[in-house]
Amino acid sequence: GQQVMQIPQYQHVQEGEDFTTYCNSSTTLSNIQWYKQRPGGHPVFLIQLVKSGEVKKQKRLTFQFGEAKKNSSLHITATQTTDVGTYFCAGMRNTGNQFYFGTGTSLTVIP
Amino acid sequence: EADIYQTPRYLVIGTGKKITLECSQTMGHDKMYWYQQDPGMELHLIHYSYGVNSTEKGDLSSESTVSRIRTEHFPLTLESARPSHTSQYLCASRSLLEFYNEQFFGPGTRLTVL
Repeated sequence: GQQVMQIPQYQHVQEGEDFTTYCNSSTTLSNIQWYKQRPGGHPVFLIQLVKSGEVKKQKRLTFQFGEAKKNSSLHITATQTTDVGTYFCAGMRNTGNQFYFGTGTSLTVIP
Repeated sequence: EADIYQTPRYLVIGTGKKITLECSQTMGHDKMYWYQQDPGMELHLIHYSYGVNSTEKGDLSSESTVSRIRTEHFPLTLESARPSHTSQYLCASRSLLEFYNEQFFGPGTRLTVL
């Protein structure tokens, strides 16, 4: 069954509003990555988190890895139309070398 | 910009045909992956490779096969295409170096089987 879930599946926001997507794994992860996929495009790497409780920032994007290393979040402050796309988390389990992609959150930004 | 290429970008074929989707990367990456992605859905791993002569099946059951004869080349073959194979196929690669875990994705092949 699905091992990495993301919520919400879809999110529509007004430009300037904040946005958050949550990623939850059924198993402990060794690390987690986040990717952005524009409509019609391919996934593009955003960031990797490795440590328990880790927080990383990239301009308006804040990424967090849970203390138990089973969940993660991506928060975008003051969304812009360029933020439109689907955001995927991808977790790697401690016992393997495969990345398990989350179900994705599709973000629409209304100008 | 990542140096990973996929051909063809779009393919429409009839049921029962044999097809090969090409993937090449010029970054010298040892690890390569094939994912299947339906529109708006998550990526499912169908095959991966850790290096030359190494291939493994992913979690998604698939009638496809792969080969890794050269580091830079990782083709995916469907012996007999069916409408259920209609999807986007994404190839990715990454370095073996532990710190650099980023996966670089190709542009994808959109396959339609009639």
